[in-house]
Amino acid sequence: QVQLQESGPGLVKPSETLSLICTVSGYFISSGYYWGWIRQPPGKGLEWIGSIYHSGSTYYNPSLKSRVTISVDTSKNQFSLKLASVTAADTAVYYCARYPTPWGQGTLVTVSS
Amino acid sequence: EIVLTQSPGTLSLSPGERATLSCRASQSVSSSYLAWYQQKPGQAPRLLIYGASSRATGIPDRFSGSGSGTDLTLTISRLEPEDFAVYYCQQYGSSLSFGQGTKLEIK
Repeated sequence: QVQLQESGPGLVKPSETLSLICTVSGYFISSGYYWGWIRQPPGKGLEWIGSIYHSGSTYYNPSLKSRVTISVDTSKNQFSLKLASVTAADTAVYYCARYPTPWGQGTLVTVSS
Repeated sequence: EIVLTQSPGTLSLSPGERATLSCRASQSVSSSYLAWYQQKPGQAPRLLIYGASSRATGIPDRFSGSGSGTDLTLTISRLEPEDFAVYYCQQYGSSLSFGQGTKLEIK
C-alpha cells in the first residue's frame, strides 16, 4: 500500500522559505508516476504548486514558478518543496501526492511573525 | 494553462435524489488524465474517478463519470447522507489544474 507523509515546520516567518518533505512508503519514486505538491488555503479550493516526474523533470504552476523548487531524493524515497519569500497568502494546508492518488494527510503551514 | 470551471457552485439536494456535477475545460484534455475528488471537512481529497470514467478502488457504483474533450460530468445516482461534501474535478499530467469545486449540500 502506497503511503505519503508530509513533514516540516508548521510556522514560517514572512519573507522566509517554507520547506516541506514528503516521505513515500510502499513504492519507489524512481519507478514511475508524477509526484508533487498541492495546497489549500483555509476555506478555499485546491491549488497545484508543482510536480516532479520520476526522471527528475519538474513542472511548476506559472503563478508560483519564480518562488518554487521541487526536488527528489531517491536514496531516501522522499521529495521536497521549497517556497521562497512567503507571505500570509501562503498560509495553507500543504498536501503531497502521487497523481492522481494517493495523497498525504496534509500539513498546515502558517506564515506569521 | 488549462482552466477548469465547475457548475453549479452549490447544489442543494435531498438524500435519494440524483446529483449531476459539471466541469468544463478551457481546452480539450485527454480523458486519460481527468479525475474527480470528494473532500469532507478536515480531510484530504479522496479520489472517486480517474481517466474520466473509471471508479477508484472502493468507490460505490452510485458514482459515475463521463465526458471527454472539454466537458466532464460526475453523476451520483442516489445520494446517501455521506455524499454531501465538496467535489473537485482535476486534469493531471505534467501540469495540473483543479476546478473551483461544487459544494453538495443537504436540502
